[in-house]
Amino acid sequence: LAKTTQPISMDSYEGQEVNITCSHNNIATNDYITWYQQFPSQGPRFIIQGYKTKVTNEVASLFIPADRKSSTLSLPRVSLSDTAVYYCLVGDALNAGNNRKLIWGLGTSLAVNP
Amino acid sequence: NAGVTQTPKFQVLKTGQSMTLQCAQDMNHNSMYWYRQDPGMGLRLIYYSASEGTTDKGEVPNGYNVSRLNKREFSLRLESAAPSQTSVYFCASSDPFRETYEQYFGPGTRLTVT
Repeated sequence: LAKTTQPISMDSYEGQEVNITCSHNNIATNDYITWYQQFPSQGPRFIIQGYKTKVTNEVASLFIPADRKSSTLSLPRVSLSDTAVYYCLVGDALNAGNNRKLIWGLGTSLAVNP
Repeated sequence: NAGVTQTPKFQVLKTGQSMTLQCAQDMNHNSMYWYRQDPGMGLRLIYYSASEGTTDKGEVPNGYNVSRLNKREFSLRLESAAPSQTSVYFCASSDPFRETYEQYFGPGTRLTVT
């Protein structure tokens, strides 16, 4: 089963680019890599998802090397409102049961300072 | 469009008591999930339902039962609550036929078992 490892915490300043890396050495062929953002007392919220190479949307970019054993979430020009916990998720959500697990990282607490 | 709703928001139980956590989604999603979130443990999948009438065990199913009542509703039951089940419980849903396997989360139920 894939195990995901990410830094416990990171600090940044407003306007900087933040890169959070997740390690998933045992990722399976069918697994996707998804990142979520969570604010206190709320459920996680989807940021971005990818399978390989690079994916970009209006809020973030996701870089996945060819071996897919890690991934990097990139947040451009963060603001105070980006202070949150960011989770890496590895798994095949289409087949979450039958021992095909969804493996969440423990989360990276990002603090954005003025 | 309320998304994913959960009731109750807070609950305190005594050891041995039973209760059912309710979850409903109005996005016509096929897949639904129950997670628990504990400090330092991240999110762990309890049960998963790919469609109405089907359920599968996740990573931590012991002590829980689920019912996929219809396409909209997915309930989680604790038959005999234990202090180890003190946690925040999240329900989520997703549409496996979308381009991304984005999960939409409810606001959570904070359960304390004394």
